[in-house]
Amino acid sequence: RKEVEQDPGPFNVPEGATVAFNCTYSNSASQSFFWYRQDCRKEPKLLMSVYSSGNEDGRFTAQLNRASQYISLLIRDSKLSDSATYLCVGYNYGQNFVFGPGTRLSVLP
Amino acid sequence: NAGVTQTPKFQVLKTGQSMTLQCAQDMNHNSMYWYRQDPGMGLRLIYYSASEGTTDKGEVPNGYNVSRLNKREFSLRLESAAPSQTSVYFCASRVNTDTQYFGPGTRLTVL
Repeated sequence: RKEVEQDPGPFNVPEGATVAFNCTYSNSASQSFFWYRQDCRKEPKLLMSVYSSGNEDGRFTAQLNRASQYISLLIRDSKLSDSATYLCVGYNYGQNFVFGPGTRLSVLP
Repeated sequence: NAGVTQTPKFQVLKTGQSMTLQCAQDMNHNSMYWYRQDPGMGLRLIYYSASEGTTDKGEVPNGYNVSRLNKREFSLRLESAAPSQTSVYFCASRVNTDTQYFGPGTRLTVL
């Protein structure tokens, strides 16, 4: 079983839709979590960190449920420019980062 | 401020050839990483260097060696390339916060 698992998608949604991605992790010792965005044939870039209390950055909301070992990313009012692959990442101090395989999103006009 | 740079951007090798992938960062970061990315697999850590002068194996180190030449540079060497090493290779760096900054990647094909 992979340490970080994601639904690979693709998620095809119309502009303006709300879309949610889920991620589960198996290592209960993981202490920090992140969502990275990766455009086609480009490097990953940090989208947002995920805090236990949940956090929001504009149209993006991230949630962490430690009891269920579950992380989510909600995108509201999807834009064409949101089309990308979204990587869920866990970090365990001293053991480095573990990346999920990514969820591909296509926002359609 | 270029961030993280990698050379070359593309490379084609024949089985058994050797090559070195170069990575440099100008952000004065302590930690540097080498990952490979294969379809459906996500990024997998090959080697990392927590600070200048130290290197450690990651999840998939076999077939690779690394050198942390100084604080700025972290190179990855394939001594005898194999088709299974066909992949996209990303270098990344990190200071004491949790954020990693990635280079643009090297697309390697081994025939």
